[in-house]
Amino acid sequence: GQQLNQSPQSMFIQEGEDVSMNCTSSSIFNTWLWYKQDPGEGPVLLIALYKAGELTSNGRLTAQFGITRKDSFLNISASIPSDVGIYFCAGLNYGGSQGNLIFGKGTKLSVKP
Amino acid sequence: DARVTQTPRDKVTEMGQEVTMRCQPILGHNTVFWYRQTMMQGLELLAYFRNRAPLDDSGMPKDRFSAEMPDATLATLKIQPSEPRDSAVYFCASSGDRGFGYTFGSGTRLTVV
Repeated sequence: GQQLNQSPQSMFIQEGEDVSMNCTSSSIFNTWLWYKQDPGEGPVLLIALYKAGELTSNGRLTAQFGITRKDSFLNISASIPSDVGIYFCAGLNYGGSQGNLIFGKGTKLSVKP
Repeated sequence: DARVTQTPRDKVTEMGQEVTMRCQPILGHNTVFWYRQTMMQGLELLAYFRNRAPLDDSGMPKDRFSAEMPDATLATLKIQPSEPRDSAVYFCASSGDRGFGYTFGSGTRLTVV
């Protein structure tokens, strides 16, 4: 089945540093999504990307949908302690009997004040 | 603020017992998903429904798991009999017609001893 390879698995950074994580797939997706999960909660949608090449920002977050439709990256600028959590990429092909998200294994972000 | 509501939040049960998890999707959302999250496997899709009809339950062990939507405001996931390997966090998510931007509930943390 479809799989997403997300890297890095974990990151330990200093407050104020920029963060970059990415996701690759052996197959193409029509939509890429980035989620953040806080401890004890469900994933929350951060950014959705719908077109190959699209670059979208949400505050300090920037994500891009790769031209090949097989990859995406998420950047966080000037990290702060509340950025701590697990970040998931997810790919979606909507249509027909499909329409479910395939998730990466996550990137665990730790921020030192 | 629309949200997906899951109950119970935590469940500890003995091996062999029946477990029922409930989910109230966001009003108006027509697609409901059940995911299981473990450290080893990450987020795995168990089953999903569109307009209350099951579309895909290939991720679910059929011999012990069952998922239903008795009505548009309630989705259930049952495990009978439960086993220790079922211990995980089970998430429900719902989405509207376009199928993206899924909203997740806070999850049910299941521990089978």
